[in-house]
Amino acid sequence: EPEVTQTPSHQVTQMGQEVILRCVPISNHLYFYWYRQILGQKVEFLVSFYNNEISEKSEIFDDQFSVERPDGSNFTLKIRSTKLEDSAMYFCASSPRTSGGSYNEQFFGPGTRLTVL
Amino acid sequence: AQSVTQPDIHITVSEGASLELRCNYSYGATPYLFWYVQSPGQGLQLLLKYFSGDTLVQGIKGFEAEFKRSQSSFNLRKPSVHWSDAAEYFCAVGAGDDKIIFGKGTRLHILP
Repeated sequence: EPEVTQTPSHQVTQMGQEVILRCVPISNHLYFYWYRQILGQKVEFLVSFYNNEISEKSEIFDDQFSVERPDGSNFTLKIRSTKLEDSAMYFCASSPRTSGGSYNEQFFGPGTRLTVL
Repeated sequence: AQSVTQPDIHITVSEGASLELRCNYSYGATPYLFWYVQSPGQGLQLLLKYFSGDTLVQGIKGFEAEFKRSQSSFNLRKPSVHWSDAAEYFCAVGAGDDKIIFGKGTRLHILP
């Protein structure tokens, strides 16, 4: 069964460094998402991406964050200058839904745990 | 604004006992509702979903949930829990075109 994969599973970085979290969505999916979960808290939406552009972003997704689909398979989240409060589990998700179509399920990856020291 | 409320932060039940986890949502249109389970240090696994149709939804691992529009609820149930069900459970609503809004979660503890 196809699944969303994420690398690395755990990333440790120093405050102020740039990190790139990688995701490979399910191959025929069209919508891609990033969520984050700070330890002990709920999962929060960060951004959605369709047709090579951001379709929606939350207030969390400030100028330090960017997303990219550099090729036909990868979907990345970049944090330009990490802060301590960026420490969290980051989940990638993908959905087969087409624009204007009926709602489709989002399939989540296993997550990348980011630790900022 | 869309929101999901899970009023119980922790629930403890004995193995073999029945379980009900509560979830209330706030959403203006027809909601798309989900329950996810997360074991410690793991990702999110979809237990079940409601998009339309029958309001009693069957999921994996013996779980079911009932959508009650009049009460804006989508409670998760299991008739007999197993020790392996100990985990964090998240109720969620699909909001608009793009995002899923999660509740704060209920941590389930199982007594032997």
